[in-house]
Amino acid sequence: GAGVSQSPSNKVTEKGKDVELRCDPISGHTALYWYRQSLGQGLEFLIYFQGNSAPDKSGLPSDRFSAERTGGSVSTLTIQRTQQEDSAVYLCASSPRLGGGRETQYFGPGTRLLVL
Amino acid sequence: AQTVTQSQPEMSVQEAETVTLSCTYDTSESDYYLFWYKQPPSRQMILVIRQEAYKQQNATENRFSVNFQKAAKSFSLKISDSQLGDAAMYFCALSKAAGNKLTFGGGTRVLVKP
Repeated sequence: GAGVSQSPSNKVTEKGKDVELRCDPISGHTALYWYRQSLGQGLEFLIYFQGNSAPDKSGLPSDRFSAERTGGSVSTLTIQRTQQEDSAVYLCASSPRLGGGRETQYFGPGTRLLVL
Repeated sequence: AQTVTQSQPEMSVQEAETVTLSCTYDTSESDYYLFWYKQPPSRQMILVIRQEAYKQQNATENRFSVNFQKAAKSFSLKISDSQLGDAAMYFCALSKAAGNKLTFGGGTRVLVKP
């Protein structure tokens, strides 16, 4: 079946603009995760969802970042008033259910964001 | 807090040879999982192998095997009979057994020479 898909694949924006990044998880997967991969910070966890709720938002770097998930499927990561330090690859992953390390997280190809 | 450290930014291996990637970690948890993920140029992370901390037997997946030293908090990956398709970034990662987020190391780039 289809894997995790993300759109857009690449996004260039100007500093101060808002951006929305989309993630389509594998069908039937109830858990969804967002990570950020940047040169300075490496790979870091941002947020995860169980269904439509996000029990752990501890990884969001600032209040300019928000995420939502609707219908237990598609998720959107929104960055308001983008800054140059937001430039990174944003990776989404999904797993059949929450289950800690027992559940494999399947990753999408990411969205590369460049803030000019 | 959990940390994962990969001390080798880049490793080079001849095709058909063996390469070992190092990873050390720190956690206060007694029950946790360790992973190796591969990230090819397509950016899509792929799980290579997983190790449950309470299992003493080292995990193996075809040409990939790990050397898990729990007391030393070390988790190395051995790639045997290296193939051109193995060229990628490799990330070591850690998760609490009941946790839902992965903590990653900085990655090791593997180059495979024909």
